[in-house]
Amino acid sequence: GESVGLHLPTLSVQEGDNSIINCAYSNSASDYFIWYKQESGKGPQFIIDIRSNMDKRQGQRVTVLLNKTVKHLSLQIAATQPGDSAVYFCAENSAGYQKVTFGTGTKLQVIP
Amino acid sequence: NAGVTQTPKFRILKIGQSMTLQCAQDMNHNYMYWYRQDPGMGLKLIYYSVGAGITDKGEVPNGYNVSRSTTEDFPLRLELAAPSQTSVYFCASSYPGTGVEKLFFGSGTQLSVL
Repeated sequence: GESVGLHLPTLSVQEGDNSIINCAYSNSASDYFIWYKQESGKGPQFIIDIRSNMDKRQGQRVTVLLNKTVKHLSLQIAATQPGDSAVYFCAENSAGYQKVTFGTGTKLQVIP
Repeated sequence: NAGVTQTPKFRILKIGQSMTLQCAQDMNHNYMYWYRQDPGMGLKLIYYSVGAGITDKGEVPNGYNVSRSTTEDFPLRLELAAPSQTSVYFCASSYPGTGVEKLFFGSGTQLSVL
């Protein structure tokens, strides 16, 4: 559903700590899940994706976890840095569809 | 390699005016998309195209039109601007070979309708 009003959920994390950003999805037919990072004044940027036949995928300092049973996706950022401050969006797509649907974003604030 | 280029970056329109938001990509991507992002919100799909000559509606197409005469260009047209169209508009492209989901976004056009 829609985010509420003009206030994105915000996660404040101390520099060097790990961050966990969560996302719930509703379409049980979705096959691909993606995380995007949007820095202030810029377009979203692809971070990592995961297919529905996987439950975990790791990248550089990032890990995505997928729990299909409860339709939940999470992005873990290790050793969070000031440059990680941004809005993070989860997105989903179904095989055979050309459209990517974006979820409500989460703002990550890194405290130096 | 410029990627996805959007012009203009900023624009102020009066109610009832029309304009075209330009989008060009030089990655030879088949798929192109237009999204709008309202303040503090996610991205809503306006229109998309899977190739030259083919376009289709997204979630919020009312008040907009698109065309795709070439692989590279995907302009978005606002015919009668309304305050509800005040938003940031993002163009994106993707290539099925590397994953439709891996969208490459432009830097956006901030539009205000007053």
